[in-house]
Amino acid sequence: QKEVEQNSGPLSVPEGAIASLNCTYSDRGSQSFFWYRQYSGKSPELIMSIYSNGDKEDGRFTAQLNKASQYVSLLIRDSQPSDSATYLCAEHYGQNFVFGPGTRLSVLP
Amino acid sequence: EAGVTQFPSHSVIEKGQTVTLRCDPISGHDNLYWYRRVMGKEIKFLLHFVKESKQDESGMPNNRFLAERTGGTYSTLKVQPAELEDSGVYFCASSQAQGGVAFFGQGTRLTVV
Repeated sequence: QKEVEQNSGPLSVPEGAIASLNCTYSDRGSQSFFWYRQYSGKSPELIMSIYSNGDKEDGRFTAQLNKASQYVSLLIRDSQPSDSATYLCAEHYGQNFVFGPGTRLSVLP
Repeated sequence: EAGVTQFPSHSVIEKGQTVTLRCDPISGHDNLYWYRRVMGKEIKFLLHFVKESKQDESGMPNNRFLAERTGGTYSTLKVQPAELEDSGVYFCASSQAQGGVAFFGQGTRLTVV
């Protein structure tokens, strides 16, 4: 059983649309969740962190956490071609971070 | 402020040889993590240091892998002898607090031929 699950995609959205990325996790009392963006051949870079239920907004990005349903999502408003990348969901569990396989997003101009 | 740096960025070695990867975390970050991503798979945890101590090494695949963090600063990950299945990208990350944001290095792409 995978610990953090994501749809591998690719998810294609037109420029200017909202991209919705979803992630589910095994409930082990995890408290911290992170979204990373990884361009091809580059290292993961942090987009958002979220620790409590509800929404957290930062610019065009909104992270949503629902601990009862064990999912965390990332919404990207006004998607741009430069947002095309792989988005990794990660939970902090125990001593380490557990990553999902990533969702490949393609924003079409 | 410098980010997490890794060296080398690429390494191509023959099966049976030894390779040592280095990671310099962000200054002041006590927590240092090693991860690996093999082709087509998700990023997998290898181990976690708090300062110079190994906090969790449950992800180390076998005893051909040895990680050290002498003095609690930079860390090395040695693979000896390397096998074909060790090929992948090895990432290092550091965080100031446990459970806090982890910042990643650019990774070392290891190819074993």
